[in-house]
Amino acid sequence: AQKVTQAQTEISVVEKEDVTLDCVYETRDTTYYLFWYKQPPSGELVFLIRRNSFDEQNEISGRYSWNFQKSTSSFNFTITASQVVDSAVYFCALSGVSYNTDKLIFGTGTRLQVFP
Amino acid sequence: EAGVTQFPSHSVIEKGQTVTLRCDPISGHDNLYWYRRVMGKEIKFLLHFVKESKQDESGMPNNRFLAERTGGTYSTLKVQPAELEDSGVYFCASSQFAGVSYNEQFFGPGTRLTVL
Repeated sequence: AQKVTQAQTEISVVEKEDVTLDCVYETRDTTYYLFWYKQPPSGELVFLIRRNSFDEQNEISGRYSWNFQKSTSSFNFTITASQVVDSAVYFCALSGVSYNTDKLIFGTGTRLQVFP
Repeated sequence: EAGVTQFPSHSVIEKGQTVTLRCDPISGHDNLYWYRRVMGKEIKFLLHFVKESKQDESGMPNNRFLAERTGGTYSTLKVQPAELEDSGVYFCASSQFAGVSYNEQFFGPGTRLTVL
């Protein structure tokens, strides 16, 4: 069965601190995708990143970086020098790659609060 | 270009009543998905349309839920009769191409349903 675990329910930091959101997944598929979505107070889910299971290169996009490690089935997300605008709920998700199984399997989300 | 829209944004109904949620996907998107988040839990997949056909409805909780996608455009999700446990946020997402192993899913802002 596929499963995504986000053990951190809520994290609070002060602006400019670095913060890492953890994501651990389970799947029997050899090929799969991993995602991070952000849900700001406005409610919609905003796509942040997609990672193919064959690509274990870490990625950096501005203040955001992602660490994908197949050996530990983890796909962690780090925000460097956090800002108040980063306050949101962040979801990690997993999907298969075939035509019939591209539904997203989400974790329970981590609420990040960044205080000024 | 307009994103995924959902109507209503909030709905409060009494147990036993009927509610219909609507989703308008991004124009031209073949795939339409419904997801639900019960408070504090993960976002769970409900079903997936490819154009007007139900591709995967494995996540539909029971026969009180009926989803349709008229002419492959907008979709409705009807809950009849609603129960207390149906409360949550219902998200709709769309992606562009059918028959492709991966498409990015674009999410709407969700409909918050409260059943009293």
